[in-house]
Amino acid sequence: KQEVTQIPAALSVPEGENLVLNCSFTDSAIYNLQWFRQDPGKGLTSLLLIQSSQREQTSGRLNASLDKSSGRSTLYIAASQPGDSATYLCAVGTDSWGKFQFGAGTQVVVTP
Amino acid sequence: NAGVMQNPRHLVRRRGQEARLRCSPMKGHSHVYWYRQLPEEGLKFMVYLQKENIIDESGMPKERFSAEFPKEGPSILRIQQVVRGDSAAYFCASSPIGGTTNEKLFFGSGTQLSVL
Repeated sequence: KQEVTQIPAALSVPEGENLVLNCSFTDSAIYNLQWFRQDPGKGLTSLLLIQSSQREQTSGRLNASLDKSSGRSTLYIAASQPGDSATYLCAVGTDSWGKFQFGAGTQVVVTP
Repeated sequence: NAGVMQNPRHLVRRRGQEARLRCSPMKGHSHVYWYRQLPEEGLKFMVYLQKENIIDESGMPKERFSAEFPKEGPSILRIQQVVRGDSAAYFCASSPIGGTTNEKLFFGSGTQLSVL
């Protein structure tokens, strides 16, 4: 059974500092991996999707890496801003469609 | 282009009542997924539907829960005889094609179900 773990559970950084969020999974036989952002009382917003054959994806200040063999993914957010404050969720694709196993998330606070 | 619409946003039910949660996917999307987020837990997959078909319901509790996605109208997640343990945030997501590994999911804002 696939298990997804996110460390740390919470993180507080001053504005401008780079953020590093970690995700680990127990079964390397994944289809893809997706990073989401969740704001309080709102739904999830997809940030980056990495296919199992890819090593990384980039979008603006965001960069996500994937190392299937070691069961790890890392989300980097450069030059953090207060608007980046949210919960970040890692989700591992366990089937060839939209079935994901989610981690519990990392709650990020960026202070001005 | 409206996103995934879920209603109601908040639903309060007493034990034993029925709860009906609605989800309208994004325009052009024909694949719907339901996830549940229990307090202090991560999101858990419940069911995957296409129009008029249930593709995977491996995450659905065996009793009291059912889901449908009719040819016309929204997808419905129905919970009969609710119990306090059903209290959770229920999220719906949609995708345009389904069955591929390069699809992002688009989530709604969720329905918060509270059972008294």
